[in-house]
Amino acid sequence: SQQGEEDPQALSIQEGENATMNCSYKTSINNLQWYRQNSGRGLVHLILIRSNEREKHSGRLRVTLDTSKKSSSLLITASRAADTASYFCATDKGRGSTLGRLYFGRGTQLTVWP
Amino acid sequence: GAGVSQTPSNKVTEKGKYVELRCDPISGHTALYWYRQSLGQGPEFLIYFQGTGAADDSGLPNDRFFAVRPEGSVSTLKIQRTERGDSAVYLCASSLGLAGVETQYFGPGTRLLVL
Repeated sequence: SQQGEEDPQALSIQEGENATMNCSYKTSINNLQWYRQNSGRGLVHLILIRSNEREKHSGRLRVTLDTSKKSSSLLITASRAADTASYFCATDKGRGSTLGRLYFGRGTQLTVWP
Repeated sequence: GAGVSQTPSNKVTEKGKYVELRCDPISGHTALYWYRQSLGQGPEFLIYFQGTGAADDSGLPNDRFFAVRPEGSVSTLKIQRTERGDSAVYLCASSLGLAGVETQYFGPGTRLLVL
């Protein structure tokens, strides 16, 4: 079963604008990761944020985590046409029998128009 | 260095046939994972190996699915008596070893189509 849910399901913006995607999850986590996927193939890891962290940056990416609200956001600044892809959040409960398993949401389809 | 590789890239088979999907993890990664992704969905966990042993196979949908990793490196996902509902992209990932701590690195996937 999928634990995370991304919002919105689809996002369409112009180049240069910022894109914000949100992820909500249901149970406590060890860490949360964001992945990108082009054309339904392999996932590319973007960033990992641990449950004791609140914000992380990587290049044009900024991720926040609010464990009290069980939510995370991914911000892509100054978007480019090449950022067009599906973006997934994945949570890791990090305990017991579920150790190692990532739970993915359905993803946000981002389209950046030139 | 080389990333996770998967073969074949695409597999078309007929209902009832047997298929094998192969995954070569990143060298030195002791943890290996299989996921399945249906159209419009996120990946769903199938099985996780730590070394040669399956640490968690609770995501395998039924006993037609089986996976092995005999030498702790390459893994093969085996599907018997394939059904049309098995059509999906099968993704493999590997990580350094401490599951739940390291990033999982994904391969390009095998797109399976069962006719």
